Amino acid sequence: LAKTTQPISMDSYEGQEVNITCSHNNIATNDYITWYQQFPSQGPRFIIQGYKTKVTNEVASLFIPADRKSSTLSLPRVSLSDTAVYYCLVGASGGSYIPTFGRGTSLIVHP
Amino acid sequence: DTAVSQTPKYLVTQMGNDKSIKCEQNLGHDTMYWYKQDSKKFLKIMFSYNNKELIINETVPNRFSPKSPDKAHLNLHINSLELGDSAVYFCASSPGPGGAYEQYFGPGTRLTVT
Repeated sequence: LAKTTQPISMDSYEGQEVNITCSHNNIATNDYITWYQQFPSQGPRFIIQGYKTKVTNEVASLFIPADRKSSTLSLPRVSLSDTAVYYCLVGASGGSYIPTFGRGTSLIVHP
Repeated sequence: DTAVSQTPKYLVTQMGNDKSIKCEQNLGHDTMYWYKQDSKKFLKIMFSYNNKELIINETVPNRFSPKSPDKAHLNLHINSLELGDSAVYFCASSPGPGGAYEQYFGPGTRLTVT
């Protein structure tokens, strides 16, 4: 089971790009990397998922180096509404997967 | 149309009582989950069902009993409630089991035990 490590908290300012890195040194060949966002008093929401290289959608980009031992969630030009907790999960398909959210990274965006 | 819904949204009860939380998903997913998020915001998996079969049971006291009457529903019954059970409980669903599938979460049920 791949263990993930993320910073507990980050601060940024409106308009800046934010990069949150997740370390997953023992990622397995079949594992995917998935990021979720959680606002206060709401359930987590899927942001982006990738397997290797770079994935981009309308919300974020996910950069995965060739060795896949880490991944970086990039949020372009953040706004106050991006203040949330961000979780990195790693796992493959199948019933043996235990989703491990942990505490995530608390991002605070300042005016 | 709400994809994953939970009832009730808030639940205040006394120690020793028995209560249930209901979850329904209209996404046609095969897999459903229950999570607990405590006051320190630590989000932890409790149970998962795939096609009505229990596939994850993460060291949860047996006072907690999930039930899946069909693929669209996963209920959580809690007996003899304790103060430590106070938390927000989230239900989620995904097309299948495993980390390759995106999970869709419900709005949560805030349980307060007094």
